[in-house]
Amino acid sequence: DAGVTQSPTHLIKTRGQHVTLRCSPISGHKSVSWYQQVLGQGPQFIFQYYEKEERGRGNFPDRFSARQFPNYSSELNVNALLLGDSALYLCASSTSPTRDSTYNEQFFGPGTRLTVL
Amino acid sequence: QKEVEQNSGPLSVPEGAIASLNCTYSDRGSQSFFWYRQYSGKSPELIMFIYSNGDKEDGRFTAQLNKASQYVSLLIRDSQPSDSATYLCAVIPSSGTYKYIFGTGTRLKVLA
Repeated sequence: DAGVTQSPTHLIKTRGQHVTLRCSPISGHKSVSWYQQVLGQGPQFIFQYYEKEERGRGNFPDRFSARQFPNYSSELNVNALLLGDSALYLCASSTSPTRDSTYNEQFFGPGTRLTVL
Repeated sequence: QKEVEQNSGPLSVPEGAIASLNCTYSDRGSQSFFWYRQYSGKSPELIMFIYSNGDKEDGRFTAQLNKASQYVSLLIRDSQPSDSATYLCAVIPSSGTYKYIFGTGTRLKVLA
């Protein structure tokens, strides 16, 4: 079975532009989470979606938004890009939202490397 | 105080030795704990998870959890150069949030 897939792999944008990142979860997984990882740091939680509903939001500005589709794939959108948005954006899938199950593991996709110039 | 703390390293161990990686967390009510391995330029890969106090073994890996002291550790026996990576500790807090909270990771170097 395929794991979590993300596209694109790499992306270069300039300040002020908009970007859309895409994620397809593992088959059978209904929950998708987005994380931002800057160099030298651990991943920081951005959003979690389950059954097309937002179940959690991290401490990120409103320039960040996301949605989940009926097939459980997800998009992360970032508007008005800043230099500080340069990072590895990770998508993780799990069978259910973290809150609903103690025994819940998240599996990460390969990530999208975003560079903002 | 950071929610999840790890020594950034690098932790250098000779090939064949035991590598010990530690993680402390601030939320006493946390219930779920995860160890991820991340090679440079790659995404995190789940190694182990632990929910109960004590030890959990999986091959060369042993996770240890002590909720009273609020720490979780990962032991890697017979360390190999291929184990050289950054090891991330992740915790699900008790607040009912939906997120994993990650530490900054410990860089492990296994010397051949």
